[in-house]
Amino acid sequence: AQKVTQAQTEISVVEKEDVTLDCVYETRDTTYYLFWYKQPPSGELVFLIRRNSFDEQNEISGRYSWNFQKSTSSFNFTITASQVVDSAVYFCALGAGMNTGFQKLVFGTGTRLLVSP
Amino acid sequence: DVKVTQSSRYLVKRTGEKVFLECVQDMDHENMFWYRQDPGLGLRLIYFSYDVKMKEKGDIPEGYSVSREKKERFSLILESASTNQTSMYLCASSVMTENTEAFFGQGTRLTVV
Repeated sequence: AQKVTQAQTEISVVEKEDVTLDCVYETRDTTYYLFWYKQPPSGELVFLIRRNSFDEQNEISGRYSWNFQKSTSSFNFTITASQVVDSAVYFCALGAGMNTGFQKLVFGTGTRLLVSP
Repeated sequence: DVKVTQSSRYLVKRTGEKVFLECVQDMDHENMFWYRQDPGLGLRLIYFSYDVKMKEKGDIPEGYSVSREKKERFSLILESASTNQTSMYLCASSVMTENTEAFFGQGTRLTVV
């Protein structure tokens, strides 16, 4: 069975603090994708990043960075120098289903990030 | 810009009613998905479709059915709405190739009374 665990339900930080959102996944598949989505108060999910199971290279995009470690089945997300606009619910997801291009997603329960001024 | 449009933002229906949630995408995507989102449970897959008239059950299909008669439209049907189907419903679409992502609609908050 496939599963994604986001153990942090809610995190509160003050602006400019760094924050890491944890994601641990379970799968028996050798080929899969991992995703992070952001859900602002408006409700629509916004894609942030995807990684396939063969690419363990970490990625940095501006203030965002992602650390993928197959050895620990983790795909953690760090926001550096957080801003109020980062306040949202963040979802980690595991993509499976070759017949859908690995777009059949299993989501974690989400982490609500609150950034105060 | 990819656009996934759900027909209603908010819906209130009575127990036992037949309910249709509509989703339309404008990017010729092969895949379409219906998820429900509940507090503390994240998003869970109800049904998906990878081609016209093709559908497969997701993780929680009980009490739901779907219809995909045209490539751009994917309907979620609650045959007889119940209060435990009160939830946020999210539609998504994607191409059927690797190394891509799904695009989500704005969601429909359904309340069954």
